This record gives sequence, structure tokens and C-alpha cells, in this order.
Amino acid sequence: GENVEQHPSTLSVQEGDSAVIKCTYSDSASNYFPWYKQELGKGPQLIIDIRSNVGEKKDQRIAVTLNKTAKHFSLHITETQPEDSAVYFCAAPYGNNRLAFGKGNQVVVIP
Amino acid sequence: GAGVSQSPRYKVAKRGQDVALRCDPISGHVSLFWYQQALGQGPEFLTYFQNEAQLDKSGLPSDRFFAERPEGSVSTLKIQRTQQEDSAVYLCASSQGLASYNEQFFGPGTRLTVL
Repeated sequence: GENVEQHPSTLSVQEGDSAVIKCTYSDSASNYFPWYKQELGKGPQLIIDIRSNVGEKKDQRIAVTLNKTAKHFSLHITETQPEDSAVYFCAAPYGNNRLAFGKGNQVVVIP
Repeated sequence: GAGVSQSPRYKVAKRGQDVALRCDPISGHVSLFWYQQALGQGPEFLTYFQNEAQLDKSGLPSDRFFAERPEGSVSTLKIQRTQQEDSAVYLCASSQGLASYNEQFFGPGTRLTVL
């Protein structure tokens, strides 16, 4: 099956700085890579995703980059704001349409 | 529009009791997933439905876990003879299509505590 790992487990950044979270996966056949944000007491919410035919995708302050050769993809958050504080999960598909999630990164934005 | 809803939001059970957790997916969504999320961990896949058909139950940890979606909309996850290790947040997600790249919309989860 798919093995997904995230680093670092906790990341603290000053408000306005950038945050980068890296995710590695094991199955070279994987072709879809989403990032989810989970706030306390809520379910995960998709914030950005990328397919294997592109190397980068941006949506306002959020971007995802993919390196298929190295089997890793990263989430980039620029100009961080307090509301960016949350747990972020990366995932990769396995089987028919299951998703394997990483353990999550706690991002803390310090005002 | 309404998102995915789950009930109850919190459930406390004594060890050995049976529990039933309900999921109301987004109307019209074909795919429905159940995940288990332990404290400080990511969601772990339990089972998958395409309409009323349970196509994958490989993630169910034991035969005490049972899920159904009889009419292809609302789903229930039942846990029989609960054990302390069943304590977790149970998340339901639905998606419009059948492919892995179709966005999964998650509900708020049911936090189960087994005493």
C-alpha cells in the first residue's frame, strides 16, 4: 500500500513569514496529491491539490510543488496569517480511490 | 448548501456497549467513505461505498465494525462490543464522482470515547 510521511511534525512561523511542509510518498504510480487543512473540532477541508502531469499549482497564498522523481510534494503558504494556524495533512491515493493520509503537521502562526 | 453532517458529535460508551454513528452525505454524492482518526494522527481509511454498494471494507479493524448505506444516501457505522482502543474520531466523507481525484468533503466527525 501507499506510505505517506510528513515533515516537520510541528512548525512555528512569525505572522507574515512563509511556511513550507514536505510530504513523501512511496507508490510511484500515485498521480493525485491533495493537501487538507483541519481546524480544531472540524473535519479536514481540501485546500489545494495537484495531479502528476504538472509540477506546481498556485492559489493565492497557497502553492503546491511536486517532484515525481523524488516522490515528494510540498505545501507553501506565503504571508502567513493567524487563521492559517491548523493541522495540515497530505494524502496520496491507493487502491481504487482510497486516500492514505500522513500524520499531519501542526502549523502555528505567531502574531 | 449543506455539507456533510454527522451525528452524534460526541458519544461516550461503556466498554462492551454497541454504538451507531450516522453520516448524512452531500445530496447526490455517489461515493461515501468512513475514516478513523486517532488523537494526533491522520485519518485512516475504514470503508467505501459507491451508492449502496460497499465496495471496499478492507480498513475495518475487526468484525465488530459494520457499515451500511441501504438507500445510497445516509450511512451508519456500527461498532459492536466497544473496546477502549475504539476511542477515536470517526469521520465521514463524500464525493461526487468515483475517482481518487474527486474532492472528498468531510463531516465534522463523531468523537467516540469508550470507558
